[in-house]
Amino acid sequence: KAGVTQTPRYLIKTRGQQVTLSCSPISGHRSVSWYQQTPGQGLQFLFEYFSETQRNKGNFPGRFSGRQFSNSRSEMNVSTLELGDSALYLCASFSLGTGLNTEAFFGQGTRLTVV
Amino acid sequence: AQSVTQLGSHVSVSEGALVLLRCNYSSSVPPYLFWYVQYPNQGLQLLLKYTTGATLVKGINGFEAEFKKSETSFHLTKPSAHMSDAAEYFCAVTPPGSARQLTFGSGTQLTVLP
Repeated sequence: KAGVTQTPRYLIKTRGQQVTLSCSPISGHRSVSWYQQTPGQGLQFLFEYFSETQRNKGNFPGRFSGRQFSNSRSEMNVSTLELGDSALYLCASFSLGTGLNTEAFFGQGTRLTVV
Repeated sequence: AQSVTQLGSHVSVSEGALVLLRCNYSSSVPPYLFWYVQYPNQGLQLLLKYTTGATLVKGINGFEAEFKKSETSFHLTKPSAHMSDAAEYFCAVTPPGSARQLTFGSGTQLTVLP
């Protein structure tokens, strides 16, 4: 079955612009999480969505937002881009079931460069 | 709050030698623990996970890890390194019952020398 699909793979934006990234989870997965990966800060949790509701949010400014649609696809938006937002943004989707079976499947990421 | 410490940001081994990547965690309750691998410009691939039960966990590509509660460690090992093992490795922790909010270590870059 198809894996987690993130689009676009690469993106270049100018400071002050906004950007929207998309994530399509594995079919049947209803939970999606987003992470930011930078050389300086490593992998940091952004937020998690389940059934169109944000369940958890990491320590990021309000410029970072997201949403999830009824088909479980998720988008994240970053407004008023700053140079420091340059990063690899990873999306993970989760299988249903008990905690013992919960496992994160990651997409290949979107590489955002802010110039 | 939970945290993970990976000792050694860079590890080099010769092909055929033992691979040992260290991970220590801090958690007020027994956590779930994971090892992920990341190849350049790729996402993360799960190598193995510990939830409950057997403390020695076997994963893909010949990797294994042992959960040691007394040492709060979850070190990753492989008996014989292969050139294809060169990648970055991340240890991660979550509260028990969910892998939806992972806290990652800073990563260890593994280099395999011919």
